[in-house]
Amino acid sequence: SQQGEEDPQALSIQEGENATMNCSYKTSINNLQWYRQNSGRGLVHLILIRSNEREKHSGRLRVTLDTSKKSSSLLITASRAADTASYFCATSNTGFQKLVFGTGTRLLVSP
Amino acid sequence: DAGVTQSPTHLIKTRGQQVTLRCSPKSGHDTVSWYQQALGQGPQFIFQYYEEEERQRGNFPDRFSGHQFPNYSSELNVNALLLGDSALYLCASSRGGLQGTLAFFGQGTRLTVV
Repeated sequence: SQQGEEDPQALSIQEGENATMNCSYKTSINNLQWYRQNSGRGLVHLILIRSNEREKHSGRLRVTLDTSKKSSSLLITASRAADTASYFCATSNTGFQKLVFGTGTRLLVSP
Repeated sequence: DAGVTQSPTHLIKTRGQQVTLRCSPKSGHDTVSWYQQALGQGPQFIFQYYEEEERQRGNFPDRFSGHQFPNYSSELNVNALLLGDSALYLCASSRGGLQGTLAFFGQGTRLTVV
């Protein structure tokens, strides 16, 4: 079963705008990761945040983690059409293995 | 570096049949995990193989079985296929078993059961 719920399920924005996706999970975690999936194919790892971290940046990506609320958010700044994809959060309580994925957010960035 | 490779890319099977999916891990990786992704859903963990043994298993019936070979490649077998087994099957490789490194995913095998 999915542990995470992502919100919104779908998001449509214009190029240059920021996109924010939220993820909630149910149990304690060791780390939380965000993945991107293009056209229902393989998953690409974007960023990892550990349970003792609150915020992390990577290029145009910013991830926050609130373990007290069991939630995380992914912010993509200055979106591009190439960012169009589905985004999934995934949690693990055993290192980086046995990932439990959320339901995903479908992002559409229009030129 | 070829990354994680899966074969075949697409597969159509009839209900009741058996299917075998294959995965070659990224160079230097010794651990393979399998995930099932139904349409519109997130991937779900099936099981993980390390040192040729199943180390962890998700909530999947015994119809789902696997194998890991000495060269670290892996197969996923599904017996008595059901329509609900139609999904994208993703293989992920890493190094070091349960406490191992970040996983890299292959492009998946799209299985359609008719």
